[in-house]
Amino acid sequence: SQTIHQWPATLVQPVGSPLSLECTVEGTSNPNLYWYRQAAGRGLQLLFYSVGIGQISSEVPQNLSASRPQDRQFILSSKKLLLSDSGFYLCAWMERGFNQPQHFGDGTRLSIL
Amino acid sequence: DQQVKQNSPSLSVQEGRISILNCDYTNSMFDYFLWYKKYPAEGPTFLISISSIKDKNEDGRFTVFLNKSAKHLSLHIVPSQPGDSAVYFCAAREGGFKTIFGAGTRLFVKA
Repeated sequence: SQTIHQWPATLVQPVGSPLSLECTVEGTSNPNLYWYRQAAGRGLQLLFYSVGIGQISSEVPQNLSASRPQDRQFILSSKKLLLSDSGFYLCAWMERGFNQPQHFGDGTRLSIL
Repeated sequence: DQQVKQNSPSLSVQEGRISILNCDYTNSMFDYFLWYKKYPAEGPTFLISISSIKDKNEDGRFTVFLNKSAKHLSLHIVPSQPGDSAVYFCAAREGGFKTIFGAGTRLFVKA
């Protein structure tokens, strides 16, 4: 069966520090991969998605970047964190094809001080 | 511009009764709709979905209804159980990649 791992679960970082969140998927090949952010009291905002290694699409201009160095690895990064980067970050994967649901990791709670 | 709207931030229901969660959308090109359930500090869990060619899909206690002319879908949970207390997200997709989520509705099921 397929599983998705996302770490760390919580992270407290000072303003201006770098960020690296990692997500890996097991049990599937060539999935679509996604990064979402949930701000307090808000819905899920799509940040990035990837349909293959090295292919990244950005949905909103921001202080973050994403990379997909391997088929089942998706990384969310920042060179200098802002206070507004605080939130709950979720990685998700989806099988190729139409009418497939996305499956989410357990998320990373990021607090910027 | 919110393409998927869940206008009720919260809903309270008695155990054993029906829970009805509503969702409206604006993009008539959406062709696939999903409901997710989320507990605090966890990722959303997929519950049920429906294609735009259908108007109803049922899975156990969960039924999703789609009214394309009204651009409205709803999730019915019968009977509601205390373990159903969570935040429910409605989501919609056009084509194969991007899924747009609503802001969520928090369901409280009282014992």
